[in-house]
Amino acid sequence: DVVMTQTPVSLSVSLGNQASISCRSSQSLLHSDGNTYLSWYLQKPGQSPQLLIYLASNRFSGVSNRFSGSGSGTDFTLKISRVEPEDLGVYYCFQHTHLPYTFGAGTKLELK
Amino acid sequence: EVQLVETGGGLVQPGRSLKLSCVASGFTFNNYWMSWTRQAPGKGLEWVASITNSGGSTYYPDSVKGRFTISRDNAQNTLYLQMNSLRSEDTATYYCTREGYWYFDFWGPGTMVTVSS
Repeated sequence: DVVMTQTPVSLSVSLGNQASISCRSSQSLLHSDGNTYLSWYLQKPGQSPQLLIYLASNRFSGVSNRFSGSGSGTDFTLKISRVEPEDLGVYYCFQHTHLPYTFGAGTKLELK
Repeated sequence: EVQLVETGGGLVQPGRSLKLSCVASGFTFNNYWMSWTRQAPGKGLEWVASITNSGGSTYYPDSVKGRFTISRDNAQNTLYLQMNSLRSEDTATYYCTREGYWYFDFWGPGTMVTVSS
């Protein structure tokens, strides 16, 4: 199984500052069709996860341009610029290149 | 508006069975693969099962293979998860999720399953 390692486990930021989350996979997420099926989700307290980024760097419809994804192969990063109160929650990376599909353990974004 | 609503959760004894349902609306159900993902209390997310748009193929992780069965009724816009031989470690909120080609985009609010004697 592909292991998804997210760091840090928790992240304390001040409003208006930038946050960065890393996700590393135990094998390349480049699919034979040329796509990299790596997504980022935010789960706010008491809510279902919501899709932020897909194919490593594409913002989902309606997602603020303060969210950006980058990376390829096994190393991926989610950056949140100018953190706002509604950005707080747990962020997960998720790969669906290889079966079984797997999630990172999550990064909790909190206010400093 | 895309809506996914799960039902069927509850308290069940170890070794017993439970069947979850997810009613979809706001999109053409038979155009999409669908999935179930779960989250144990206070824990992270775990993919549980996927099914193709026709229902012809299904996929599972080893943790549930042979015990869980995903299925769908495209005429009723409904996704199912039959869970047999339930264990305490299956206790979780179960989410129904729509699978686009490039992403898992919409998630239902979830239904809670508690396996306990």
